[in-house]
Amino acid sequence: AQSVTQLGSHVSVSEGALVLLRCNYSSSVPPYLFWYVQYPNQGLQLLLKYTTGATLVKGINGFEAEFKKSETSFHLTIPSAHMSDAAEYFCAVKNGGATNKLIFGTGTLLAVQP
Amino acid sequence: DTAVSQTPKYLVTQMGNDKSIKCEQNLGHDTMYWYKQDSKKFLKIMFSYNNKELIINETVPNRFSPKSPDKAHLNLHINSLELGDSAVYFCASSQDATGLGSYGYTFGSGTRLTVV
Repeated sequence: AQSVTQLGSHVSVSEGALVLLRCNYSSSVPPYLFWYVQYPNQGLQLLLKYTTGATLVKGINGFEAEFKKSETSFHLTIPSAHMSDAAEYFCAVKNGGATNKLIFGTGTLLAVQP
Repeated sequence: DTAVSQTPKYLVTQMGNDKSIKCEQNLGHDTMYWYKQDSKKFLKIMFSYNNKELIINETVPNRFSPKSPDKAHLNLHINSLELGDSAVYFCASSQDATGLGSYGYTFGSGTRLTVV
């Protein structure tokens, strides 16, 4: 069965710091991987996704994530944290196929201090 | 224009009542979903419809009944509400059932249900 583990439910950084949000997955077949962000009282917004091809995926605002099959990881990097990046970040995995589900991790709450 | 819209945004109701949440998407997507986010922010899929056909039905109490009158709408009806049903319910859509289109899954802003 697929699963997603996000290490660190809370991460606090200073503005301008590099942020690494960790995501490890379990999947018996090559996975499709996603990062979503949820701002307070809002829905989830897609940051980036890996399906096939280049393992380093770039999203909006310089966010990027690297798929490492050998480590079963898809960690998200924020090069320089801004106050506006404070939010909950969710990693998710799905297999191929028409009816396979999107499985979410438990989320990491990012706090950015001035 | 809102891509995936849910109504109401907030819903407070007493135990035992029946309530509905409505969802509409104007993206032309074929597939729609209901997710439940609990108090610990954990998100779990409940149902999925593809072109009005139910394709995912998780282990959810049968008090929850989804209905899709057309592929742009997916409503969720909940009978005999219980305290444990309190959560945020998210509607989502995707281009097709694989969810691998350009924008992945598009989520609504959620309906916060509080059962008292």
